[in-house]
Amino acid sequence: QKEVEQDPGPLSVPEGAIVSLNCTYSNSAFQYFMWYRQYSRKGPELLMYTYSSGNKEDGRFTAQVDKSSKYISLFIRDSQPSDSATYLCAMRSDTGTASKLTFGTGTRLQVTL
Amino acid sequence: DGGITQSPKYLFRKEGQNVTLSCEQNLNHDAMYWYRQDPGQGLRLIYYSQIVNDFQKGDIAEGYSVSREKKESFPLTVTSAQKNPTAFYLCASGTGSRETQYFGPGTRLLVL
Repeated sequence: QKEVEQDPGPLSVPEGAIVSLNCTYSNSAFQYFMWYRQYSRKGPELLMYTYSSGNKEDGRFTAQVDKSSKYISLFIRDSQPSDSATYLCAMRSDTGTASKLTFGTGTRLQVTL
Repeated sequence: DGGITQSPKYLFRKEGQNVTLSCEQNLNHDAMYWYRQDPGQGLRLIYYSQIVNDFQKGDIAEGYSVSREKKESFPLTVTSAQKNPTAFYLCASGTGSRETQYFGPGTRLLVL
């Protein structure tokens, strides 16, 4: 079993829809959680970075963390065609000085007109 | 502009050849990382470095080598011992503990 599980999609939604992207994890030592957006043939771009359980909002994006269930989500409101990309979740524990991240495999999102 | 640059964008390797991928950052970050990305497998850590002149193996270091002679630079060499080198290679940097990582644009390595 992988430490981080993420549905690969593809997920296709119409423009304006609310998108929900999810990851589950098995390592209870994970304390920091990130979402990256990756356009085709480009490097990942950091979208959200959270530490505590609960919600964090930034514009149309909301990151949600539930440590008791080992479950994180990224919600995208009023989705746009420019949101079409692969979304990677990443997480790490708070041990040592190395910031080693464990990534999900990514969910491919397609927002259609 | 602060950021991470990787070169070349595309690289072709002949069998038995060593090739070197460049990664430079001007973010003044202490830590730098190399990842390999294959379809359906996410990002896997090859090597990382927390300070100059020091680096550690990641999860898939076999067939790769690195150096960290300058804070700004962390080149990756794909050696002939790496039998399946075709992949998208991503360099990242970060400030270390309690911080996240920022990625470069990537290098796509193909085998001739």
